[in-house]
Amino acid sequence: TQLLEQSPQFLSIQEGENLTVYCNSSSVFSSLQWYRQEPGEGPVLLVTVVTGGEVKKLKRLTFQFGDARKDSSLHITAAQPGDTGLYLCAGEGAGGTSYGKLTFGQGTILTVHP
Amino acid sequence: SAVISQKPSRDICQRGTSLTIQCQVDSQVTMMFWYRQQPGQSLTLIATANQGSEATYESGFVIDKFPISRPNLTFSTLTVSNMSPEDSSIYLCSVYSPSYNEQFFGPGTRLTVL
Repeated sequence: TQLLEQSPQFLSIQEGENLTVYCNSSSVFSSLQWYRQEPGEGPVLLVTVVTGGEVKKLKRLTFQFGDARKDSSLHITAAQPGDTGLYLCAGEGAGGTSYGKLTFGQGTILTVHP
Repeated sequence: SAVISQKPSRDICQRGTSLTIQCQVDSQVTMMFWYRQQPGQSLTLIATANQGSEATYESGFVIDKFPISRPNLTFSTLTVSNMSPEDSSIYLCSVYSPSYNEQFFGPGTRLTVL
């Protein structure tokens, strides 16, 4: 069974601060995805990282995939109240039978105070 | 992107009854999945809904409790049978779109069992 440990579970910061969310596993994933979920809605994909060592940027968000494809991080620079939400990492297992099936981390509830 | 709708959006049910949740996608998709998100927790994959054959269930989930239908490539249902308060969760369907190389989620069905 593949597990993803996501930390921290809760993050409460002031507007303008930086933050990092971590996602770690002992298993290798073919890809790792980051989602954001608003109350009453399903998760919405932010980014997919596929290659070990890959770094992707989405405005103030920077995503990194570990060299061994077992861990990932999400860094937000100068957080804004609009960044408030639940952030989820999810791994797609290596191997044909796991295609499309995601293992989710526990989630990080981020609150950015004005 | 794939647009997914779910019915009902929420329901309150009595212990021992069953509820069928519908998932409709606006395009034909091969891979459709059902997830559960318990209060304050992350998403857990229940099963893969296969068109024309029985669903494939993950460890801890069985067909008698969560029967799934997939009559065509745009529609699926999940039934939560003989419900107990422990079944109170958000149930989400998702699809994988090879065209977009992305997984899309429905808005979820919030189920409360009294």
